[in-house]
Amino acid sequence: DSGVTQTPKHLITATGQRVTLRCSPRSGDLSVYWYQQSLDQGLQFLIQYYNGEERAKGNILERFSAQQFPDLHSELNLSSLELGDSALYFCASSGTSGLSHEQFFGPGTRLTVL
Amino acid sequence: DAKTTQPNSMESNEEEPVHLPCNHSTISGTDYIHWYRQLPSQGPEYVIHGLTSNVNNRMASLAIAEDRKSSTLILHRATLRDAAVYYCIHDSGGGADGLTFGKGTHLIIQP
Repeated sequence: DSGVTQTPKHLITATGQRVTLRCSPRSGDLSVYWYQQSLDQGLQFLIQYYNGEERAKGNILERFSAQQFPDLHSELNLSSLELGDSALYFCASSGTSGLSHEQFFGPGTRLTVL
Repeated sequence: DAKTTQPNSMESNEEEPVHLPCNHSTISGTDYIHWYRQLPSQGPEYVIHGLTSNVNNRMASLAIAEDRKSSTLILHRATLRDAAVYYCIHDSGGGADGLTFGKGTHLIIQP
């Protein structure tokens, strides 16, 4: 158990819909990262937040957005969903924005878009 | 993009050492090398990281070539629970940024 929790575990929705994935980092971790894992693209970094502020952006689509709240939990919002958005979405956390070389990954949310 | 090259798959026997190679020929002086693994149906798990010197921890050892263009993850005594996809990541963000995962090496352990 990494200490990172993600809800829900599974989500099934239809094209065009909007969903919100939630992540609670390990106690004390200030950085939260979101990753997408699909069969064709592999594991891709989407976005990072540190202590409530966006710190780094990866291959995140404009239809996707995220935020980190004062209690440090984070949400990833996916809108205008397409079939290709079906994937595993992982959240990871780490201790600081600099010098922390270990990211702790949650169990993931499996999103299926029908 | 920082790129690494790993074999698609490797097979080893239980209780034997495993050497997982990785090439990172575009690495620069301050870039770290990270290894993560992903067991079936789980999120990735940190294994080890290094910069220039060889590194050991309770899970594995990391041997880094003198020119830093390649490294080898060493599992000293593989168990069936080590069967996973192993990712070698060349990190130019000092460990603070999102990680760029490649395709990894699928390690198969035979009993």
